Amino acid sequence: SQKIEQNSEALNIQEGKTATLTCNYTNYSPAYLQWYRQDPGRGPVFLLLIRENEKEKRKERLKVTFDTTLKQSLFHITASQPADSATYLCALRGGADGLTFGKGTHLIIQP
Amino acid sequence: NAGVTQTPKFQVLKTGQSMTLQCAQDMNHEYMSWYRQDPGMGLRLIHYSVGAGITDQGEVPNGYNVSRSTTEDFPLRLLSAAPSQTSVYFCASSQGQGENSNQPQHFGDGTRLSIL
Repeated sequence: SQKIEQNSEALNIQEGKTATLTCNYTNYSPAYLQWYRQDPGRGPVFLLLIRENEKEKRKERLKVTFDTTLKQSLFHITASQPADSATYLCALRGGADGLTFGKGTHLIIQP
Repeated sequence: NAGVTQTPKFQVLKTGQSMTLQCAQDMNHEYMSWYRQDPGMGLRLIHYSVGAGITDQGEVPNGYNVSRSTTEDFPLRLLSAAPSQTSVYFCASSQGQGENSNQPQHFGDGTRLSIL
């Protein structure tokens, strides 16, 4: 069966360090992968999309990699700040019926 | 600049009651969808629509109905509420449709529903 796995445990990072979140998937052959941020009591907000033929994508302090051989995407936040604390979701399109989301990783940036 | 608007934000129902969760978007998006989010389960797709007059089932459609009479609106109906439907419901929209669409989803801020 298709699975998307993200670290279910909270990730604690000291301010200023790089936070790295992992998204692994099985039984998908995605053309692209998306990352979202979700704050408590709010809906997810789109951050980045990376296509299967792109190894890396950057946006300001954010960097996403996509390894279709390992079936893994890494999401990096450099120079992390307490305001980066949130839950981060990865998502794949498994078919015509919409995105399938991972359960998310809760990131805590400690001052 | 409203984006996706969901109402109500909170609702408490008794078992067996019915209600409609409203979702409206002002971005002229063809694709709209409903998800539920439960602790430890992540977001799960309930129903989706690729355009006015077209709807289809997602991963967890049982107990829910949808219709899409206009591009802007995509209401979700609970026919006979059950405690298992206690959840946070999110509506989303995007440009494009179909398997190859890579457009980002725009989400509303959710409806928190409790079924007693």
